[in-house]
Amino acid sequence: DTGVSQNPRHKITKRGQNVTFRCDPISEHNRLYWYRQTLGQGPEFLTYFQNEAQLEKSRLLSDRFSAERPKGSFSTLEIQRTEQGDSAMYLCASSLSRGQNEKLFFGSGTQLSVL
Amino acid sequence: AQKVTQAQTEISVVEKEDVTLDCVYETRDTTYYLFWYKQPPSGELVFLIRRNSFDEQNEISGRYSWNFQKSTSSFNFTITASQVVDSAVYFCALSEMGGGKLIFGQGTELSVKP
Repeated sequence: DTGVSQNPRHKITKRGQNVTFRCDPISEHNRLYWYRQTLGQGPEFLTYFQNEAQLEKSRLLSDRFSAERPKGSFSTLEIQRTEQGDSAMYLCASSLSRGQNEKLFFGSGTQLSVL
Repeated sequence: AQKVTQAQTEISVVEKEDVTLDCVYETRDTTYYLFWYKQPPSGELVFLIRRNSFDEQNEISGRYSWNFQKSTSSFNFTITASQVVDSAVYFCALSEMGGGKLIFGQGTELSVKP
């Protein structure tokens, strides 16, 4: 069990550029979640996948955001035309869903800074 | 609507002191789950405990204990004999039906000084 891995750890970009983050979940986990955390706040749910299907998206996820999980393995989160308000820590978590007994394992996050 | 409030933004204690982190939640669901997570400077959220709405038994795990009171919608967390390694941001969270879509509080930053 190598844990949830996120890359890159840090990303600095200019406003208007596109960025993509990657999350590798724990290998046997069927669910994968994306959260966003701004400074001094708790994480906010963005979206989640069960295997390759994206089952729910938060209203926080504007049209500039898209997430994929091809083949139900790793996931990518892309932000198009970045804005300064997108600056945040993007956290990925995975779990092995067993009915109500679901426990999330989080990665260390990707810190995005939009200049 | 669901909401979690952690009124204490920062707490500073000296090593070996006991400290309690407060958490108050709001939900209209009769079935829900409450969590505590620890976020050290590395950024990775570490699961500490899950409690479902039908189980109001308090729990103790080593130096950690949790007090769940439905009557006051609170799920408080106490660290006994705090240590420097306990320094971190602690989050309380709520979910429906035990799933992974969590609603987090704002977090309490705990600083334990030697």
